[in-house]
Order: sequence, then C-alpha cells, then structure tokens
Amino acid sequence: QVQLQESGPGLVKPSEALSLTCTVSGRSINTYYWTWIRQPAGKGLEWIGRISSSGRTNYNPSLKSRINMSLDTSKNQFSLSLSSVTAADTAVYYCARVGEGWGTVTFFDYWGQGILVTVSS
Amino acid sequence: DIQMTQSPSSLSASVGDRVTITCRASQSISSDINWYQQKPGQAPKLLIYAASSLRSGVSLRFSGSGSGTDFTLTISSLQPEDFATYYCQQSYSTPYTFGQGTKLEIK
Repeated sequence: QVQLQESGPGLVKPSEALSLTCTVSGRSINTYYWTWIRQPAGKGLEWIGRISSSGRTNYNPSLKSRINMSLDTSKNQFSLSLSSVTAADTAVYYCARVGEGWGTVTFFDYWGQGILVTVSS
Repeated sequence: DIQMTQSPSSLSASVGDRVTITCRASQSISSDINWYQQKPGQAPKLLIYAASSLRSGVSLRFSGSGSGTDFTLTISSLQPEDFATYYCQQSYSTPYTFGQGTKLEIK
C-alpha cells in the first residue's frame, strides 16, 4: 500500500519561500514520477509540477519561475519549494504519485491527505 | 495549455438516479483523460483513467466514455456515498489541467 504524507510550515510570510516535503512509504521513489497539486479553498485543482525518479522535472509554466522540486532517495522523500509567495499561493497542497498504464497513460493514483499553507504576515 | 470544461458545475439528484457529467477539452486529447472524486476535507480519489478504465476497487456504478474532445462520466445508480465533487483531468500533455469540478448534491 502506497502512502504519502505532506509536511512543512502551515504559515508563510508574503515574499518568503514555501517549502514542503512529501514522505512516501510502501514504494520506493526510485520508480514513477511524483507530483504536486494545489487547491485554494473552495476552488479547483491546479497542477504544480512533477519530478521523475531520476530528478527530471516538468513545471507548470504559470509557476515555473518560482518552483523547484527535488528528491531525497535516501529518505524516500520529494520536496517542493515555491519562492516569493503571495496570498494567491494560499491553498491546500497535495503530493501524489503519477501512476502509469499502457503506453503513455498516466494518472494520479495515490495522494497525500494535503497540507494547508496560508500566506499571511 | 489545454482547457478542460466540465458541465454542469453543480447537479442535484436523488439516490438511485443515473447521472452524467461531461468534460470537453479545448483540443483533441485522444483518450488521455482521468476522473476523480473528492469529498469535503479529503484528497481527490482516482475513479477512471484513460477515459474508460475503471480503477481497481472502484464501484462498477462508475463508467467513463469518449475520445478526442468530448468525454462523459456516468454513475449508473447514485448511492449516498457518491455525493461529492467530480473532476476531470487531461494527461495528454503538460501542464496537466483539470476541469473546474461538478458538485453532485442530494435533491
């Protein structure tokens, strides 16, 4: 059973960096892509980016200049850093696994419970 | 970016009803669409992938269809636990994008 758990500060000041970690259990992060998705309160889902088991990244262009994702295979964790945050970055942040089917089929099959990050002074 | 437009935004239905939610992509995405269910305070849960493949363990009440730009999620006979918000998501190209969601409420 694959389980994911987000961790990090729940409150970040404007203009500072948001840093979150996702700890994976039940499966090595040395396979699959891993991803971050966020959801402002009462709103829809926004894909932030993904990182492969080799550290290759794809970011949402809307956030690309402010994002960095990384892996720590020794701890079976992957991380998100989002710089220069504003109130618009307040959201529940989810980490998830990018599952794979046949061919190019991909989907988000395992999710963390989510962590609320509020940007406020 | 590929835009995903869901309809309706909200829907009231009764237990036992058959309901259909539609998702339209702004360009052809083949069959690269997934459907998720989200209940309040919970993470989304994958129901259907690749347009019509039911994830293992998901009720057979759920089915998906479509290809190209037009897709549907159907719930054959609503159960109390099905009242939730449903999202489509395209996996054809990055940035992956979601529909705005359909909130399914009890009539």
